[in-house]
Amino acid sequence: GAVVSQHPSRVICKSGTSVKIECRSLDFQATTMFWYRQFPKKSLMLMATSNEGSKATYEQGVEKDKFLINHASLTLSTLTVTSAHPEDSSFYICSARARGMNSPLHFGNGTRLTVT
Amino acid sequence: KNQVEQSPQSLIILEGKNCTLQCNYTVSPFSNLRWYKQDTGRGPVSLTIMTFSENTKSNGRYTATLDADTKQSSLHITASQLSDSASYICVVSAGSNSGYALNFGKGTSLLVTP
Repeated sequence: GAVVSQHPSRVICKSGTSVKIECRSLDFQATTMFWYRQFPKKSLMLMATSNEGSKATYEQGVEKDKFLINHASLTLSTLTVTSAHPEDSSFYICSARARGMNSPLHFGNGTRLTVT
Repeated sequence: KNQVEQSPQSLIILEGKNCTLQCNYTVSPFSNLRWYKQDTGRGPVSLTIMTFSENTKSNGRYTATLDADTKQSSLHITASQLSDSASYICVVSAGSNSGYALNFGKGTSLLVTP
């Protein structure tokens, strides 16, 4: 079945540094990728939607200069958390979807970010 | 207002028992509905997909139903196992004139105890 690989699975960084998270679709072309944030025991919160080759669409309240999203190819999207602060510590998940009405949504396994 | 409502918010059952999770939606036009299982610290994994014409679909001990008239879906888990403890998320896809937008429920947290 289709697989979405997310890397790294865990990352610890110092406050003020930037962290890049990669999301790759391994066996299909992901025309649309989504990035989510999830707090403990809470539901997924959509942060942004990106279509290959175009700028990401951010949800209300998500700072686009803080969370940089790049979807430069049909198999790769990246999320960069810039100038990270402890409150950015969270579980970040990507998902990817091919073109088509009934295209399933495949999720990565998430990245646990801890900012110290 | 969320267009996908899941109930209950959380559920605790004994190992071996059955349970049913509910998903009610207002998404229109409707394209399809998926149930996902999310283990703690992992990404969601698809269990079933239901389109408009499908009423029931099974995946092992998981059986999903869909009533497109009342806009309700259920996920029935038979003979629960400890490994069924997870969050179950209902995702409804809108039709083409809504860009196949995805609408997420907030999930049902299931705990299966020995």
